[in-house]
Amino acid sequence: QSVLTQPPSVSAAPGQKVTISCSGSSSNIGNNYVSWYQQLPGTAPKLLIYENNKRPSGIPDRFSGSKSGTSATLGITGLQTGDEADYYCGTWDSSLRGVFGGGTKLTVL
Amino acid sequence: EVQLVQSGAEVKKPGESLKISCKGSGYSFTSYWIGWVRQMPGKGLEWMGIIYPGDSDTRYSPSFQGQVTISADKSISTAYLQWSSLKASDTAMYYCARLEEVGATGLDYWGQGTLVTVSS
Repeated sequence: QSVLTQPPSVSAAPGQKVTISCSGSSSNIGNNYVSWYQQLPGTAPKLLIYENNKRPSGIPDRFSGSKSGTSATLGITGLQTGDEADYYCGTWDSSLRGVFGGGTKLTVL
Repeated sequence: EVQLVQSGAEVKKPGESLKISCKGSGYSFTSYWIGWVRQMPGKGLEWMGIIYPGDSDTRYSPSFQGQVTISADKSISTAYLQWSSLKASDTAMYYCARLEEVGATGLDYWGQGTLVTVSS
């Protein structure tokens, strides 16, 4: 059972927009930055978003992040088949230990 | 170019010991944390712990405290994850990743992963 709650799966058609939620509490998301990771099948995770809404160099602006209270959201616009992957949110707990969400499988129909 | 290169896949028997490695290059190894993440077969990511090679400050997640040991040798820019007595339930992919700041930035560069299989 993960500390952060994500929907197990989401789906949308190519070109559409999808959002993935990550719900936590005041002892994690509520008082810490959130990151988002993409894990393509058979590969290591990749950082998509850090500090709630910042994108590392090379990450397209189709990916966006936001945080409100004890929840965070990853948005992906202009969906492509190559976006099919597992997506994880991550943050810190009150002892500054890292925690991840359970992951969300994105299917591009 | 920042790179984290992990040691190769391992097949071990229950009760055996193991130490896997993660070698950093392309950046100042002593100025960033290294984190270890477990991914059991078909499951999600689990944060195991982090180490700051500059002073060996190490922090474990409660689930892994006492189960594994994280260490680093800054002279060769390498971090380690070790077990003294493996269990079948340790079968998983293990990733190392770089972290700039605890409590803030994410894990920005990842190793390719080390698959550990524990089976009698």
